[in-house]
Amino acid sequence: GAVVSQHPSRVICKSGTSVKIECRSLDFQATTMFWYRQFPKQSLMLMATSNEGSKATYEQGVEKDKFLINHASLTLSTLTVTSAHPEDSSFYICSAIGPLNTEAFFGQGTRLTVV
Amino acid sequence: GQQVMQIPQYQHVQEGEDFTTYCNSSTTLSNIQWYKQRPGGHPVFLIQLVKSGEVKKQKRLTFQFGEAKKNSSLHITATQTTDVGTYFCAGSNAGNMLTFGGGTRLMVKP
Repeated sequence: GAVVSQHPSRVICKSGTSVKIECRSLDFQATTMFWYRQFPKQSLMLMATSNEGSKATYEQGVEKDKFLINHASLTLSTLTVTSAHPEDSSFYICSAIGPLNTEAFFGQGTRLTVV
Repeated sequence: GQQVMQIPQYQHVQEGEDFTTYCNSSTTLSNIQWYKQRPGGHPVFLIQLVKSGEVKKQKRLTFQFGEAKKNSSLHITATQTTDVGTYFCAGSNAGNMLTFGGGTRLMVKP
């Protein structure tokens, strides 16, 4: 099946710094990618929809200036957590709809810890 | 907007017992998908149901899509410890947007 690669898998950063997370579709083109946040033992919370070549669409309550999304090519979307704070610590997962336009393929996720 | 509710939130079963999770949408869906997330892992696609009343099986897993295309269920027969994880349903009613249910976390006691 299609592969979505997410990097890094784990990151620890200091409060106030920024962290960039990359999401790549390895063997297909993804005009749309999705970014989720998942708290421990909870569901996937959609943060934003990333559209290649245009601005991301953010869900209500998600600060677009804090969670910067760039989808510069058909195979890469990035999420930058700016001025990170401990409350931003979470598991962030990206996904893309596969080439058959049916199911979603998820990246491995990034566990962010802000200290 | 569209809402997808999933119950139960948690389920503990003894190995060998059956397990069912239910998914209900506030709107009619074009299709419903099921995903499994193992502890520490990422969601992995299991199956997609498209037709009203559709039933699909994968070994011990049986998936159903309601006649009104607003609800779905996943039933596992004779659970095994390898079934441990969180099962998510995800509904779609237009385009590529998937709305995920809250997930059901299955724990299996050996």
